[in-house]
Amino acid sequence: GDSVTQTEGQVALSEEDFLTIHCNYSASGYPALFWYVQYPGEGPQFLFRASRDKEKGSSRGFEATYDKGTTSFHLRKASVQESDSAVYYCALGTSGGNYKPTFGKGTSLVVHP
Amino acid sequence: DPKIIQKPKYLVAVTGSEKILICEQYLGHNAMYWYRQSAKKPLEFMFSYSYQKLMDNQTASSRFQPQSSKKNHLDLQITALKPDDSATYFCASSQDQGNQDTQYFGPGTRLLVL
Repeated sequence: GDSVTQTEGQVALSEEDFLTIHCNYSASGYPALFWYVQYPGEGPQFLFRASRDKEKGSSRGFEATYDKGTTSFHLRKASVQESDSAVYYCALGTSGGNYKPTFGKGTSLVVHP
Repeated sequence: DPKIIQKPKYLVAVTGSEKILICEQYLGHNAMYWYRQSAKKPLEFMFSYSYQKLMDNQTASSRFQPQSSKKNHLDLQITALKPDDSATYFCASSQDQGNQDTQYFGPGTRLLVL
């Protein structure tokens, strides 16, 4: 079945550092790719998505490019802030009659001032 | 105004009891979902519904039963509660179950089973 593998565990950075969270996927169809962010005590919220090869999604300074060749959708931000501390989830859209949304295990970002 | 309402926000239950978690969405969406998140496991998909019809069930136990009385409601009944059921339960919705449909999550119900 479809699956998502992303950077495991926690990423600890200082403010203004460059962020990369890796996301690779395996899917039988041609899914849309999503990033969601979850702040403490809240539900996950949509960050952005990309629907086709080479498309870049972006929001709030975060960006990721859909790469069908390497089956990747890595999250990047040039300069993180303490307020970016949260858990980030990479996810696949449903495709090919699959009604089960597929989320990665989440990556916890901690940004120190 | 909150677009997805989950009630209650916190819930304490005793082992063996039964509880119902409420979810209502006011986004006009046709698909709704339940997820579970615990300290031991990341976000875990449980059910998906489309137009009040069950589309996918990834929950091994029949103790978890979704109930959809209206298109914008998807409650979750949990029977014979166990301490391992302690988790935060998130309801979510999307316009449909298409490839590009974004999911919108509620604030969650935090369940503690003693």
